[in-house]
Amino acid sequence: DAKTTQPPSMDCAEGRAANLPCNHSTISGNEYVYWYRQIHSQGPQYIIHGLKNNETNEMASLIITEDRKSSTLILPHATLRDTAVYYCIVRARSSQLIFGTGTRLQVFP
Amino acid sequence: SQTIHQWPATLVQPVGSPLSLECTVEGTSNPNLYWYRQAAGRGLQLLFYSVGIGQISSEVPQNLSASRPQDRQFILSSKKLLLSDSGFYLCAWSVGGPLVQYFGPGTRLLVL
Repeated sequence: DAKTTQPPSMDCAEGRAANLPCNHSTISGNEYVYWYRQIHSQGPQYIIHGLKNNETNEMASLIITEDRKSSTLILPHATLRDTAVYYCIVRARSSQLIFGTGTRLQVFP
Repeated sequence: SQTIHQWPATLVQPVGSPLSLECTVEGTSNPNLYWYRQAAGRGLQLLFYSVGIGQISSEVPQNLSASRPQDRQFILSSKKLLLSDSGFYLCAWSVGGPLVQYFGPGTRLLVL
């Protein structure tokens, strides 16, 4: 299983873009990149996933490098409600989720 | 739309007492169901998952058991709680694979 590396914490000003990096240099060809977040005292929330191409939905954008060894989750206009722990997970589609320690994003006014 | 319910929201139990946590899903059929535990300040640990009625897979050996008596009902149980069973218990569901999961609100269990 590909191991992911994320910074333990990041800050972002409200209204600015939050760019959360994830390194996964040992990713295999059949492994997808998934992002979840967990707001304090709540269950995790699925955000987005991708294989090779960049993806965008109503919550965020996912940029995957051409060699697939790293990716960036972009929250285009961060709000205080985006303060959470963000998990980058790299897994094959038939595998179970494994949550690491993630990045604690603090959005400040 | 799909919803997932867990109860109770919080629970304080003495060591050695039994446990039963319930999770139900609405608005979907044949979901995969999952139980996770999150100890204070720690990551999520997958405890059990189920792909159908009566089908339970255990990810880690422990003091807990799970059952799925109906398609959209998942129960986490223990005969005798330990102090180490304290934590935040989360139920989740998915369809078509395990990687896009939708989590319930969780149950906070404190064993004293």
